[in-house]
Amino acid sequence: DAGITQSPRHKVTETGTPVTLRCHQTENHRYMYWYRQDPGHGLRLIHYSYGVKDTDKGEVSDGYSVSRSKTEDFLLTLESATSSQTSVYFCATGNPSTSGAETQYFGPGTRLLVL
Amino acid sequence: KQEVTQIPAALSVPEGENLVLNCSFTDSAIYNLQWFRQDPGKGLTSLLLIQSSQREQTSGRLNASLDKSSGRSTLYIAASQPGDSATYLCAAPNQAGTALIFGKGTTLSVSS
Repeated sequence: DAGITQSPRHKVTETGTPVTLRCHQTENHRYMYWYRQDPGHGLRLIHYSYGVKDTDKGEVSDGYSVSRSKTEDFLLTLESATSSQTSVYFCATGNPSTSGAETQYFGPGTRLLVL
Repeated sequence: KQEVTQIPAALSVPEGENLVLNCSFTDSAIYNLQWFRQDPGKGLTSLLLIQSSQREQTSGRLNASLDKSSGRSTLYIAASQPGDSATYLCAAPNQAGTALIFGKGTTLSVSS
């Protein structure tokens, strides 16, 4: 398995507080991703990074920001948590190419509950 | 914009049956198509990756096919076992090829 860890694994927070989730990889993959998974919606891309300090928005980026200061770390910040951000958050890494030979590797997920 | 649809959403079968999970995608200009497995409370594990130049891939009892012209992929599971019970997710690249777009998954339950 690819070495992807997420912290914390579980978090309960209150509406309006900032929250930061961390993803750490040991695979030296260029791309890192943050997804959220919700019943009825499946996995949706929040933000992704294609290199240190290079990030782009995904499908559901409102209310989230990201930072990548090192190849191995990708942080997701909920600037002011809302109950609609209660979800399971997955980090993934990979090296997509036009050959189509590369897959993505997923972390174990972080369960976030916003009260 | 790439959209990925999976049917059925849920499937229950007795042990030993062969079964087919379906995936359709709207943008056929894809580099690959992937199938993942997710166990309850866990992350995703890649099962099969079919490159655009390939028509199918096999791993053990699993066989995935890809028909880009029709925008369809199928995952065939032979001789199902209770340990196959999980959610199976299909994913295709977005138009830029930089991220994956996932279907909502098919939740499979195999009874002994």
